[in-house]
Amino acid sequence: AQTVTQSQPEMSVQEAETVTLSCTYDTSESDYYLFWYKQPPSRQMILVIRQEAYKQQNATENRFSVNFQKAAKSFSLKISDSQLGDAAMYFCAYRSGTGTASKLTFGTGTRLQVTL
Amino acid sequence: SAVISQKPSRDICQRGTSLTIQCQVDSQVTMMFWYRQQPGQSLTLIATANQGSEATYESGFVIDKFPISRPNLTFSTLTVSNMSPEDSSIYLCSVRPPGRGYEQYFGPGTRLTVT
Repeated sequence: AQTVTQSQPEMSVQEAETVTLSCTYDTSESDYYLFWYKQPPSRQMILVIRQEAYKQQNATENRFSVNFQKAAKSFSLKISDSQLGDAAMYFCAYRSGTGTASKLTFGTGTRLQVTL
Repeated sequence: SAVISQKPSRDICQRGTSLTIQCQVDSQVTMMFWYRQQPGQSLTLIATANQGSEATYESGFVIDKFPISRPNLTFSTLTVSNMSPEDSSIYLCSVRPPGRGYEQYFGPGTRLTVT
């Protein structure tokens, strides 16, 4: 079974600075998707960014980018120019690319604090 | 993305009672998912609900405790039956929108407290 590990329960970053959240996963598959979700205190889960395993290029969405290291099974999220609104729980998630019914497997989350 | 609404947004219930949570999507989707998020925890999949078929439950979750209905392609309900304090959680509905099935979106959740 696939597992997703987030080793940083909490992180803190100053406003306007850059922070990197770590995620590693374990799988024997070659076709899969990786995601970062954000859950602010209001609790709505928001999809931040996704990466297809077959793509070598790292995904980028505005201030959010990933460092996808397929061989190392690592998928970190970099948040640049951090803003107060970035404070939230961040979940890394894995989904097999095989089959339409494949499920999302979540990590335990990293709570990000943004300070002035 | 898909716009997902859930009702109620929160509720406080007595043990032994049942609560039905509704999930409405603004577009037709084949697959809907129900998750539980216990306080301070990650998300756990309860079941997958496809329209026109029985829901598929994950290990540790049973239909008698969490019956699910999926009457059409935009709506589903999850009932939490015979509640106990251990059922106090956030329950989230989630969908994969048409044409973007590699992504998954979540509703705002229902915060349930059982006393």
